[in-house]
Amino acid sequence: GEDVEQSLFLSVREGDSSVINCTYTDSSSTYLYWYKQEPGAGLQLLTYIFSNMDMKQDQRLTVLLNKKDKHLSLRIADTQTGDSAIYFCAESTSGTYKYIFGTGTRLKVLA
Amino acid sequence: DAMVIQNPRYQVTQFGKPVTLSCSQTLNHNVMYWYQQKSSQAPKLLFHYYDKDFNNEADTPDNFQSRRPNTSFCFLDIRSPGLGDAAMYLCATSRDLGAGGPSNEQFFGPGTRLTVL
Repeated sequence: GEDVEQSLFLSVREGDSSVINCTYTDSSSTYLYWYKQEPGAGLQLLTYIFSNMDMKQDQRLTVLLNKKDKHLSLRIADTQTGDSAIYFCAESTSGTYKYIFGTGTRLKVLA
Repeated sequence: DAMVIQNPRYQVTQFGKPVTLSCSQTLNHNVMYWYQQKSSQAPKLLFHYYDKDFNNEADTPDNFQSRRPNTSFCFLDIRSPGLGDAAMYLCATSRDLGAGGPSNEQFFGPGTRLTVL
């Protein structure tokens, strides 16, 4: 079945860039998402990318998609302590309701 | 602001005592979802409603039920909570199932953390 994988932890220093990686198996994925979850809170959509795009930039966030390798990454420039959270990638297919979530990457930003 | 609201944010119940969690939305979205998220895990879809059409995931236990009396509200009923049901329960909405839509984007509420004693 479909699977989405992420590394569990990432630690960076404040002001550095963070890169969170995600791999997926479903070649029919149409949309890929990045969500942020702060402690005790729900999921907040950060950005998404269509599968026919290679890159999307939104202020400090850059999403790169390598469709051939089924690899998605989220780069956060100038990482701040407020970026400390769990980041989930998810994929879905047009016309379906279901998201397949990754296991989440816990980002810790050191001051 | 249009949003997804969950009440209560924290719920404590006793083993075996029925509990109901509620979700409301001001987005006027067709689809509402309930997810269960255990510590350090990805959210797991329990079921969803497309308008009044209920869709259960195959591995959702019978102990979990849902009601959607109107577009704005959706309830999660846990008939006999066990210790293993302690988790964060997330409600989400989307405009439709994506046919012709741009993104399938789901909007999440803040969650209800359920503790079972």
